[in-house]
Amino acid sequence: EDQVTQSPEALRLQEGESSSLNCSYTVSGLRGLFWYRQDPGKGPEFLFTLYSAGEEKEKERLKATLTKKESFLHITAPKPEDSATYLCAVHLNSGGSNYKLTFGKGTLLTVNP
Amino acid sequence: SAVISQKPSRDICQRGTSLTIQCQVDSQVTMMFWYRQQPGQSLTLIATANQGSEATYESGFVIDKFPISRPNLTFSTLTVSNMSPEDSSIYLCSVEGTPGGAQHFGDGTRLSIL
Repeated sequence: EDQVTQSPEALRLQEGESSSLNCSYTVSGLRGLFWYRQDPGKGPEFLFTLYSAGEEKEKERLKATLTKKESFLHITAPKPEDSATYLCAVHLNSGGSNYKLTFGKGTLLTVNP
Repeated sequence: SAVISQKPSRDICQRGTSLTIQCQVDSQVTMMFWYRQQPGQSLTLIATANQGSEATYESGFVIDKFPISRPNLTFSTLTVSNMSPEDSSIYLCSVEGTPGGAQHFGDGTRLSIL
């Protein structure tokens, strides 16, 4: 059973067309939620950490929000360079001092000029 | 954040052979992680590697298939043993910036098995 679900799987936007990506999770005892950006041929690049419902983080055209069951990554007036796969991951306490990251499958964002 | 280097960046291997992937970090870290990213699938944790102790493997992954070394606080290796085409994937190394905080990733090793 998937614990982290991202939607949509793919999103195509025109430059300047704002939208949101969704990450929903079914786990309890969330220790943290993370957003990453992954470009082709590269490893995931860390964007944001959210720890509690109501928290928001912003960076340039991106804003991440968190509720009790989901997170949104809002993209305002995107540019072609924002094209990438955006990954969401949740941190679970798997016992002791080990924290396990569980990832969703990602949203492939394409921004056309 | 830490700079993480993986070698090789890609390889094409024959069925039945083994390949060792190296992960080097530019600073000392307590915990290092190895992930697999298969096409169309989410990143999946293979194991957690702590210096001075045996690696901790996730369900579905075993030491005989994916032996891991962690000789010091800046280096780890993952071996993919007796490879089959199903092992074709991207293998990624990551480290924690702070305990329980975000992980930072290398650029991965793209492995194809013929």
